[in-house]
Amino acid sequence: QQQVKQSPQSLIVQKGGISIINCAYENTAFDYFPWYQQFPGKGPALLIAIRPDVSEKKEGRFTISFNKSAKQFSLHIMDSQPGDSATYFCAASHSGTYKYIFGTGTRLKVLA
Amino acid sequence: DAGITQSPRHKVTETGTPVTLRCHQTENHRYMYWYRQDPGHGLRLIHYSYGVKDTDKGEVSDGYSVSRSKTEDFLLTLESATSSQTSVYFCAISVGTRQNTQYFGPGTRLTVL
Repeated sequence: QQQVKQSPQSLIVQKGGISIINCAYENTAFDYFPWYQQFPGKGPALLIAIRPDVSEKKEGRFTISFNKSAKQFSLHIMDSQPGDSATYFCAASHSGTYKYIFGTGTRLKVLA
Repeated sequence: DAGITQSPRHKVTETGTPVTLRCHQTENHRYMYWYRQDPGHGLRLIHYSYGVKDTDKGEVSDGYSVSRSKTEDFLLTLESATSSQTSVYFCAISVGTRQNTQYFGPGTRLTVL
């Protein structure tokens, strides 16, 4: 019940294409869903986050789509750029616990 | 970087030796966390703290202990390091009205030979 399943493990996209990373969860008590971006040798950095009262959130080229009934959420990167090449982690949290459960990560490579 | 520093940034040690990693924050946040990151496992919570002297276990706490004697410092100790503890260790703090948003430090790469 505490798992967050992330797919795919790795993704290769052409420059200008759309990158899509998916996550699924079981625990319906989760109420905060952040995405993190991590470059080699660096700590994860918060990219964008959503709460379950909305179905979509957009920040620049990054969009989270949230499907509460399916217990799934996804990250879309529009017009993907080589500089987006990084590892992306989804996570889920229940505000009463102050703890995150992370997905296993997706390594994205955007070809120039 | 949310004012988080970790030390050392890199360490190589021998099996059986004690190791202490330090996380320091400058903004008086109440919640602090220690994670380890391994390929195929993502980030896994080791221990966390919700105040001075208040700590609790995460999902992979065996072989690790923590201490928090002041708000700004959260220490992670491997009492007797093993090769399975070779990993990258990240400290994080939690901010926000619901304590939901976590910010991470730069990490410590630990190699146990």
